[in-house]
Amino acid sequence: GIQVEQSPPDLILQEGANSTLRCNFSDSVNNLQWFHQNPWGQLINLFYIPSGTKQNGRLSATTVATERYSLLYISSSQTTDSGVYFCAVERGDYKLSFGAGTTVTVRA
Amino acid sequence: GAGVSQSPSNKVTEKGKDVELRCDPISGHTALYWYRQSLGQGLEFLIYFQGNSAPDKSGLPSDRFSAERTGGSVSTLTIQRTQQEDSAVYLCASSEDRGGITDTQYFGPGTRLTVL
Repeated sequence: GIQVEQSPPDLILQEGANSTLRCNFSDSVNNLQWFHQNPWGQLINLFYIPSGTKQNGRLSATTVATERYSLLYISSSQTTDSGVYFCAVERGDYKLSFGAGTTVTVRA
Repeated sequence: GAGVSQSPSNKVTEKGKDVELRCDPISGHTALYWYRQSLGQGLEFLIYFQGNSAPDKSGLPSDRFSAERTGGSVSTLTIQRTQQEDSAVYLCASSEDRGGITDTQYFGPGTRLTVL
């Protein structure tokens, strides 16, 4: 099956800092989603981004499908940004394959 | 509108017992998915329902696991003769059908299953 690798595995930020999370995938994909899993376990949709660039407030994402990677940018981080960020890809079979996640801790 | 809901939020059971987990998808979403999140395996796909089509059961880990979807809406995941390795958070998701094109999957809060 497709391999999804996320880096870094852990990230500690001071409030107000910017950061970039990366997702590499091993084969072509139809779709890619970024999620934030909050401390209560809820998976929250951030972006549906099979290609191109999208922005939502302090978050933005870029997927370069031809080079098989996606980036998630967090700007001016806040403590509420803490949690685990997952990248998930889908290859036309409707099933999401998830990476192992990046655990982000934002310190006040 | 209302999101995906799941019940119960927590379930503790004894090894060998059967359990049923319920999922209510977002109204109007024809696609429904079950995933499992465990410490050792991360997030993994279990089963997919789309409208009246036969479900894709390729992710179910054993024949102790089954799922049904009644009336194209509510789904129940059943685990028979539970084992300790079944302990995990079971997540349900739903999405719209865009004529064969996958769409954003929205997740429920999950059911945390603990098998003693």
